[in-house]
Amino acid sequence: DIQMTQSPASLSASLGETVTIQCRASEDIYSGLAWYQQKPGKSPQLLIYGASSLQDGVPSRFSGSGSGTQYSLKISSMQTEDEGVYFCQQGLKYPNTFGAGTKLELK
Amino acid sequence: EVQLQESGPGLVKPSQSLSLTCSVTGYSITSNYWGWIRKFPGNKMEWMGYISYSGSTSYNPSLKSRISITRDTSKNQFFLQLNSVTTEDTATYYCARGAANFDYWGQGVMVTVSS
Repeated sequence: DIQMTQSPASLSASLGETVTIQCRASEDIYSGLAWYQQKPGKSPQLLIYGASSLQDGVPSRFSGSGSGTQYSLKISSMQTEDEGVYFCQQGLKYPNTFGAGTKLELK
Repeated sequence: EVQLQESGPGLVKPSQSLSLTCSVTGYSITSNYWGWIRKFPGNKMEWMGYISYSGSTSYNPSLKSRISITRDTSKNQFFLQLNSVTTEDTATYYCARGAANFDYWGQGVMVTVSS
């Protein structure tokens, strides 16, 4: 299975701050990467697919980048509603695998 | 609007089978891929498997001997059966649409395996 390593495990950010979350795959996943946000008591919401494509309805302050084994999610200006847990997930090879999650809190 | 809704018992005894239903509205399950994903206490997420638009299935090898995903196209529902459960199968179970990524999810159902 492809292992997905996310960092950091948690972070706090101030309103308006830029936030970056990293995800590393154990092998090249050729941009087959998605990012999700999950808020307490809710199901995950797809933010980014194909490493950099923004899902319909997701605010443009979210962006994804990367290639090969290294990927990142950027929030350009932290908002209150961005608090939650963020997961990366590779969909290149079965079984699909997820990162361990990054908990983002407002400072 | 595409909506998914899981249903099933919240408590299952060890060694028994876990059975869940995902009811889909707003989209036909004879299109696309439909899967099950679970989240363990502590945030670890595991993709369990999918059933495709044609009825073919793919399962996580870690579960292959215990899992079955089936469907009823007349009711636009698909199902998860996980056999011989242990306490390690305690998790929140989600149904979701997609194969390489998942754009619609159910609200999740928490299943506890305990005697």
